[in-house]
Amino acid sequence: GGIITQTPKFLIGQEGQKLTLKCQQNFNHDTMYWYRQDSGKGLRLIYYSITENDLQKGDLSEGYDASREKKSSFSLTVTSAQKNEMAVFLCASNHREQNTLYFGAGTRLSVL
Amino acid sequence: QQKVQQSPESLIVPEGGMASLNCTSSDRNVDYFWWYRQHSGKSPKMLMSIFSNGEKEEGRFTVHLNKASLHTSLHIRDSQPSDSALYLCAASGAGNYKYVFGAGTRLKVIA
Repeated sequence: GGIITQTPKFLIGQEGQKLTLKCQQNFNHDTMYWYRQDSGKGLRLIYYSITENDLQKGDLSEGYDASREKKSSFSLTVTSAQKNEMAVFLCASNHREQNTLYFGAGTRLSVL
Repeated sequence: QQKVQQSPESLIVPEGGMASLNCTSSDRNVDYFWWYRQHSGKSPKMLMSIFSNGEKEEGRFTVHLNKASLHTSLHIRDSQPSDSALYLCAASGAGNYKYVFGAGTRLKVIA
């Protein structure tokens, strides 16, 4: 088995601040994802990465940057936090043959 | 615009009853569907997948897929309070690494 670790679990930022969320997986999966989930809602794709050093924009990429410098890690940066923004950011990885997404526990963001 | 539509938004069923959830994609390139379940405060976990026309059953859970209409449904028989959760439908196309999720159906099973 494997695990996806997201840090931090909770992130409180100020309006306009640049904030970075980190994700590590030890599944040895090639593809990794960042999704945003607003309270009680579905998942919206921000960025995904097919392999190391690859980046692909999702439907919600504006206002975010991403980085995949190693196969095991995928970082997401909120370039300028919006006041009163609250959401959970979920990282996932995918084993291509299993065709299943495995999710981390999430980072809960609050912006004051 | 959401390319994966789920209905209903929320659903209440009595314990022991049948829950039926629907999902349709508006993207003709979609080939595969998944159902994920997310309990409150937890991360989503894959429940069932379906890639071919027809039906697939695993215990109390049955999924149907109609590829012509790009419609899938999830049916939960003998519903239990522990089935109360947000059910998310995901879709993707062959050779496509992008998984698009719907807004979810919130199921509540009452004793």
